[in-house]
Amino acid sequence: AQSVSQHNHHVILSEAASLELGCNYSYGGTVNLFWYVQYPGQHLQLLLKYFSGDPLVKGIKGFEAEFIKSKFSFNLRKPSVQWSDTAEYFCAVKDGGATNKLIFGTGTLLAVQP
Amino acid sequence: NAGVTQTPKFRILKIGQSMTLQCTQDMNHNYMYWYRQDPGMGLKLIYYSVGAGITDKGEVPNGYNVSRSTTEDFPLRLELAAPSQTSVYFCASSYSAGTGYGNTEAFFGQGTRLTVV
Repeated sequence: AQSVSQHNHHVILSEAASLELGCNYSYGGTVNLFWYVQYPGQHLQLLLKYFSGDPLVKGIKGFEAEFIKSKFSFNLRKPSVQWSDTAEYFCAVKDGGATNKLIFGTGTLLAVQP
Repeated sequence: NAGVTQTPKFRILKIGQSMTLQCTQDMNHNYMYWYRQDPGMGLKLIYYSVGAGITDKGEVPNGYNVSRSTTEDFPLRLELAAPSQTSVYFCASSYSAGTGYGNTEAFFGQGTRLTVV
């Protein structure tokens, strides 16, 4: 069955540190890939998405992610985090046709210390 | 644009009661989803729909039912509420075509916080 793994459950960083959050998925066919952010008490908002084309995707607020098909990975990066990036981050995968399910990882809680 | 609208925002149910969580979208999206979110567990897919009249089970469908009679609406029904259904429920919608042209990400509602006591 299709699955998504986020290896970092809880990350604590100081402001200006670099961030990389891991995401791996299990589906071997065509996929659409997403990173969402959830600020405390709010709903999910899209950070960035990959459908096709350039595997390096740039999103909002300085975030980017790289799709590496051979590694089934879609890691999220940001060169310099801010206190306002404190939130929970979710990776999600939608398979391209078999079931069309949109499956989420368990999330990574990021705390940025000023 | 209203986007995805969920009602109610909060609800407390007694064990064994039933209720329907409402979800409507005004973006003419063909796909709609219901998720539950529990601490440390991420979002688990309950049911989804690829268009009016078509629904399918997700990862955790037991205890829930859905229907999709129109493109806009995708209600989630809890028949016999149990404490294990205490959670935050999110509805989402997206557009997806076989050609890939015009595909969108999923847009989420504000959530319904349900407590079963």
